[in-house]
Amino acid sequence: KAGVTQTPRYLIKTRGQQVTLSCSPISGHRSVSWYQQTPGQGLQFLFEYFSETQRNKGNFPGRFSGRQFSNSRSEMNVSTLELGDSALYLCASTVDQTDTQYFGPGTRLTVL
Amino acid sequence: QQQVKQSPQSLIVQKGGISIINCAYENTAFDYFPWYQQFPGKGPALLIAIRPDVSEKKEGRFTISFNKSAKQFSLHIMDSQPGDSATYFCAASTDPYGGATNKLIFGTGTLLAVQP
Repeated sequence: KAGVTQTPRYLIKTRGQQVTLSCSPISGHRSVSWYQQTPGQGLQFLFEYFSETQRNKGNFPGRFSGRQFSNSRSEMNVSTLELGDSALYLCASTVDQTDTQYFGPGTRLTVL
Repeated sequence: QQQVKQSPQSLIVQKGGISIINCAYENTAFDYFPWYQQFPGKGPALLIAIRPDVSEKKEGRFTISFNKSAKQFSLHIMDSQPGDSATYFCAASTDPYGGATNKLIFGTGTLLAVQP
């Protein structure tokens, strides 16, 4: 089985712009979670989607949003980018009815 | 209550030695405790995981020890190799069967260097 794929792998944006990141989970996995990884804050949970519904949301401002499509692919969007949004954004898909999460390689976002 | 505290921040071990990384938690609702390994430029990879109903789980050279009463768990890497040099994260979450979600709370990470 192919693993979790994330596109693009690298992204450079300027302050004030918006960005959309994409995640394709492992085939058959219906749950997709997003995490932000920074040197200062570590790995922090952003949100989780299951069958196109947001099940949980982390403590991030409303500029961070996401959605999931019927094929389980997910996107996250960050509007009005700030310098502090520079991070590695990780997507994880979960085996149904288990806790087992598999992470993708991440999208490295740099905000200038 | 939602935090997972991890120590040490960094660790240097000689090849063939035992690497030990510790984590502690407060939230007794946590029901699943995985360890992830992350190499530079890669996403975290699931190494091994445990539930509170067992005190120890072993997979190859990796062992999780779990102390429910102390709310602590640790990762032991036996016969550490230079290829084990990476950042290790402990994490915790609640049981999705109970209707909770797959939200992982991560420790701050331990940078392990295994010297040849």
